[in-house]
Amino acid sequence: EVQLVQSGAEVKRPGESLRISCKGSGYTFTAYWITWVRQMPGKGLEWIGRIDPSDSYTYYRPSFEGHATISVDKSISTAYLQWNSLKASDTAMYYCATPIVGVRYAFDIWGQGTMVTVSS
Amino acid sequence: SELTQDPAVSVALGQTVRITCQGDSLRSYYATWYQQKPGQAPILVLYAKNDRPSGIPDRFSGSSSGNTASLTITGAQAEDEADYYCNSRDSTGNRVVFGGGTKLTVL
Repeated sequence: EVQLVQSGAEVKRPGESLRISCKGSGYTFTAYWITWVRQMPGKGLEWIGRIDPSDSYTYYRPSFEGHATISVDKSISTAYLQWNSLKASDTAMYYCATPIVGVRYAFDIWGQGTMVTVSS
Repeated sequence: SELTQDPAVSVALGQTVRITCQGDSLRSYYATWYQQKPGQAPILVLYAKNDRPSGIPDRFSGSSSGNTASLTITGAQAEDEADYYCNSRDSTGNRVVFGGGTKLTVL
């Protein structure tokens, strides 16, 4: 079964660091880009950025560049989204997704989501 | 958002509804459509010109004209009540953008 499995919910304080993960299985992990998507409470979907697991090349939405970092460890088929200094405004559900269907922005496989809560 | 959707649309059970998505990048790239129900991850329902992943009912179809893409549900069912999002590449082609989403209510 093709799937992405994400790490569990996190509760952090402002200024803390965090890394969440997304592990792929059931397909060739390096063949398809991994995308991260944010969904703030009660709001819509926002594309954060993507990584090519074969060469770790990344591309970000401008508002996320410099604040969050996407990385990958292809040896364990896992992608990461990390922050060095969280803000309360980072509170959101974060999804990873991948386009196995073959169109690079048609995400047919999604992780279950990781809820990140940042609160003092 | 570079893609614009109506915030809310309603449809009577069994009737046909069209959800639209507007943006300049749609002149160059197809829209992709997702369904999201409360507490769940999004599900891909339509991609490319008018392709449906396996398991998506054929009452879901797509079309495009100029800068507007449409998702049509022919014979809406109660289980179709959800939020629907479009996405595509942005105008540079290098990034991805999502529309703001449309909340579909089936009456």
